[in-house]
Amino acid sequence: GQNIDQPTEMTATEGAIVQINCTYQTSGFNGLFWYQQHAGEAPTFLSYNVLDGLEEKGRFSSFLSRSKGYSYLLLKELQMKDSASYLCAVRDSNSGTYKYIFGTGTRLKVLA
Amino acid sequence: KAGVTQTPRYLIKTRGQQVTLSCSPISGHRSVSWYQQTPGQGLQFLFEYFSETQRNKGNFPGRFSGRQFSNSRSEMNVSTLELGDSALYLCASSPGITGEVEAFFGQGTRLTVV
Repeated sequence: GQNIDQPTEMTATEGAIVQINCTYQTSGFNGLFWYQQHAGEAPTFLSYNVLDGLEEKGRFSSFLSRSKGYSYLLLKELQMKDSASYLCAVRDSNSGTYKYIFGTGTRLKVLA
Repeated sequence: KAGVTQTPRYLIKTRGQQVTLSCSPISGHRSVSWYQQTPGQGLQFLFEYFSETQRNKGNFPGRFSGRQFSNSRSEMNVSTLELGDSALYLCASSPGITGEVEAFFGQGTRLTVV
């Protein structure tokens, strides 16, 4: 079947580094996405990985291992504004069409 | 450049009624995807439209349907509303071409079914 797991909540301190893990099971993997969603707001795109390895974008990096069905989002130099939910999503292809499967999100609290 | 616009922002409907939600994508974007977000289930993919054709579909019953117009604006319709349809409905727009995967979400329509 198709499944995505990520921790429900994490807490970290301002200035620290935090790693949010995501494991997935899908039959037709075609890319992994990370989104940030502040409470009451729309999700915003953070990163996309389709090949193994690390993609770095400023303070945020995302890693993918397709053989392990595993990804992580790394946030460096945490700021208070990073307090949000982080959604891991997989694009699954089947017979030429795609479905987007989202995890339930990891709620990150950044403490002063 | 204007962002993704969804209307209305809030809606209250009665069980059994039907509802139509609207999404205007970013100018030039041809792909519009629809999602349902609930506290228990998270974000769930409904369907994607590209150039007026449904290109991809999630696992929702036939009561959920959509369409896309020639100007890329999209509508989503839910018929015979159930209490469990209460949710935030989000649409996302993207260029829809290979390699352009970044999607931009609208603020959503919060539907309450009573």
